[in-house]
Formats: sequence, structure tokens, C-alpha cells
Amino acid sequence: QKEVEQNSGPLSVPEGAIASLNCTYSDRGSQSFFWYRQYSGKSPELIMFIYSNGDKEDGRFTAQLNKASQYVSLLIRDSQPSDSATYLCAVPGAGNMLTFGGGTRLMVKP
Amino acid sequence: DAGVIQSPRHEVTEMGQEVTLRCKPISGHDYLFWYRQTMMRGLELLIYFNNNVPIDDSGMPEDRFSAKMPNASFSTLKIQPSEPRDSAVYFCASDTGDGGELFFGEGSRLTVL
Repeated sequence: QKEVEQNSGPLSVPEGAIASLNCTYSDRGSQSFFWYRQYSGKSPELIMFIYSNGDKEDGRFTAQLNKASQYVSLLIRDSQPSDSATYLCAVPGAGNMLTFGGGTRLMVKP
Repeated sequence: DAGVIQSPRHEVTEMGQEVTLRCKPISGHDYLFWYRQTMMRGLELLIYFNNNVPIDDSGMPEDRFSAKMPNASFSTLKIQPSEPRDSAVYFCASDTGDGGELFFGEGSRLTVL
């Protein structure tokens, strides 16, 4: 079983809708969780991180963490075509290395 | 700072040839990581260094792959001999080791014919 699991998508939403991206992880000891965005042909860039159970909001983005269920999600409100990208969930492993999920491709249609 | 710098951006080579990818991390970052990204396997960690010392190379697929970090501002990933299945985008990344953001270079797209 992979350590970090994501639905590969594509997830298609209309412009202005809420996009919900999900990630599950296997290590119950994980303390921090990261969401990276990767545009086609580009490198990943950090958009959100969360350490505590509950929600963390940053502009149109909300990260939600449920450690009991080993589940972290990213909500994008008022989705824009410019949000179309692959979203990668990442969890720190042993040492200082990040393990990435396979990513979910999001398509926001005008 | 210019960010993480990788070269070459694109490399096309023939099977059996040696490939060397280069990386300059962000100044002051003690950790350097080499990742490989493919459609099938996603983003995989190959090896990482702390203060120029290799810490975990368990992700290196086989002995054809080697990585070095002779100083704090330079690292190489070498594949010898290269095979078509090595075709991928290779990312170098660095961070400070405080559990925060990992900064990626623009990647080196390798095609082995």
C-alpha cells in the first residue's frame, strides 16, 4: 500500500464551483501535511500546509485534516480556470524527506 | 536568491550513453533532494543529502544511478549506462530542514531513445 493515496482524476468542475481534493495517508504518526500545486510542464510549488486537526484557511483555499481518519483534503472555493493543475499531497517521512501522493488533476471549465 | 537551478533543462540521448544532471540548491539550504517524476509512478524520492552527506539513497533504482554533492552549492545525478525506462523529469529540491517548504528546481526532462 502506498503511503500517500490520491485519486488521479481528472476532477472537472465548472468555474465558480468548489473543488474538493482528497488524500489519505498510512502513517498514523504523521504530524504535518502539505499541498503542492503543479502546472503542466512546471515544478511543484507549495500552496498550503496544516499541522492541527480541523480547518486552515488561506484565501480561496482551505485545508482540512482529520488525523483519526488519516485523511486530509483541500477545498478550492470559487474555482478559476487558472486553478487547473495537478495537486499533490505530501507527508514527511523518516528523516526530512517528503513522500508525495500521485496527484489529482483538476480541470476548471469556464 | 535565484532559486534552485538545474541543468540541462532538456536532454535527449541514446541508450547506453552517460547522462549527468546538475543542481545548484538555494544558498543556506542544508538539505538537497533528487526526485524523479513519471506518469506511471508519480514523484519519487531518489536520494537526499544533509550538509553534503548522502543520508538516504534507498530510492535510487539501481547501480546505474549515482549522486554526489562535492560542496554545499553543487550536486550531480549520473546515470550510466542510460536506458529508455530512465526517461522522466528529474527534479532537484532544497530546504532548510525546519519542516517547512521544499523548493523545487524547474526540472531536467530526460529522454533516452
